[in-house]
Amino acid sequence: TQLLEQSPQFLSIQEGENLTVYCNSSSVFSSLQWYRQEPGEGPVLLVTVVTGGEVKKLKRLTFQFGDARKDSSLHITAAQPGDTGLYLCAGPTSGTYKYIFGTGTRLKVLA
Amino acid sequence: DVKVTQSSRYLVKRTGEKVFLECVQDMDHENMFWYRQDPGLGLRLIYFSYDVKMKEKGDIPEGYSVSREKKERFSLILESASTNQTSMYLCASSLFEQETQYFGPGTRLLVL
Repeated sequence: TQLLEQSPQFLSIQEGENLTVYCNSSSVFSSLQWYRQEPGEGPVLLVTVVTGGEVKKLKRLTFQFGDARKDSSLHITAAQPGDTGLYLCAGPTSGTYKYIFGTGTRLKVLA
Repeated sequence: DVKVTQSSRYLVKRTGEKVFLECVQDMDHENMFWYRQDPGLGLRLIYFSYDVKMKEKGDIPEGYSVSREKKERFSLILESASTNQTSMYLCASSLFEQETQYFGPGTRLLVL
């Protein structure tokens, strides 16, 4: 069974700090997605990574896909209160239409 | 931009009522999905559809049914709502199998 484990589960930091969120699996994924979800809203896609070792940047957010395509990380530089939300990683399961989702990291950035 | 819309943001229903949740996507995507999201349980797949009139059960289909009569529209039906179906319901779509999923804003359903 493919699983995606995220760490940490909860993170509360001050504005301006840096942080990294991890998404790990023992299985290989063809791609991984990162979403941010704000309270009462649906997840919004941030990025898709598809190539092992790939690094993508979205303003202050840097996403990396592991060389073996089993893990990914999200690094936020100089966090702002607007970064507050639930961060989810997700990936397609082998040979099916189904996606699996990580357990999520709930981030709170204090002003 | 991909747009997935859901018919209601908030719904309050009584136990035993039949409930319809509608989802529409405007990007000609082949696949559509219904999830529910509960604290501590994450997103769980209820049903998905990979073509018009085609559907497959997800991980928690009990108490739910779906309908996909047109490519852009996927409906989730609670035949007889129960209090344990109080949840956030999320619809998603993707172009092809294993492609990125795009989500709607969600429907928060309260069953009294």
